[in-house]
Amino acid sequence: GAGVSQTPSNKVTEKGKYVELRCDPISGHTALYWYRQSLGQGPEFLIYFQGTGAADDSGLPNDRFFAVRPEGSVSTLKIQRTERGDSAVYLCASRAANNEQFFGPGTRLTVL
Amino acid sequence: AQSVTQLDSHVSVSEGTPVLLRCNYSSSYSPSLFWYVQHPNKGLQLLLKYTSAATLVKGINGFEAEFKKSETSFHLTKPSAHMSDAAEYFCVVSEHPAGGTSYGKLTFGQGTILTVHP
Repeated sequence: GAGVSQTPSNKVTEKGKYVELRCDPISGHTALYWYRQSLGQGPEFLIYFQGTGAADDSGLPNDRFFAVRPEGSVSTLKIQRTERGDSAVYLCASRAANNEQFFGPGTRLTVL
Repeated sequence: AQSVTQLDSHVSVSEGTPVLLRCNYSSSYSPSLFWYVQHPNKGLQLLLKYTSAATLVKGINGFEAEFKKSETSFHLTKPSAHMSDAAEYFCVVSEHPAGGTSYGKLTFGQGTILTVHP
């Protein structure tokens, strides 16, 4: 079966621009997570969805970051007024019934 | 609060020799512990997990880890390294607050890059 997919795989944008990153979780997984992995670091938690609602957004760095999951499946991470420090790999994961999280390949965001 | 410390940023071994990747954790509650592997330009893959059952956990590709509560450690080992083991390894903790809903937020260590020499 299909795993977690993320699009685009790479995104290059200019400072100040708006970007959207998409995550398609494994079908039937109700829990979805976003993480951010900066160069040379481990992934850091951003936000968690249970169904359509954001159950924990404590990892979002500031109000330029926002995520939605309107139908409880696909999720979009939105970043406004991008800054060079936002450059990272953004990872999405969905969780199976045995609590294992399956990660997508990530979107590499580069802000010039 | 939960945290993870991976004691080595880089480990280098020869093919056929044992591998030891060290991890210490901190958790206010009963933790679940994981090791993930990340090969270059590939996604994160779960190697093994500890969730309060047997303290010695066996994973894929011959890896295993032992949960030692008294030492707050969860070191990853493999008896004999293979060239294909070269990758970055992450020790990960997830807390389960008593009486609360465990939603599985993962806290990652900084990673250990394993190099395997022929």
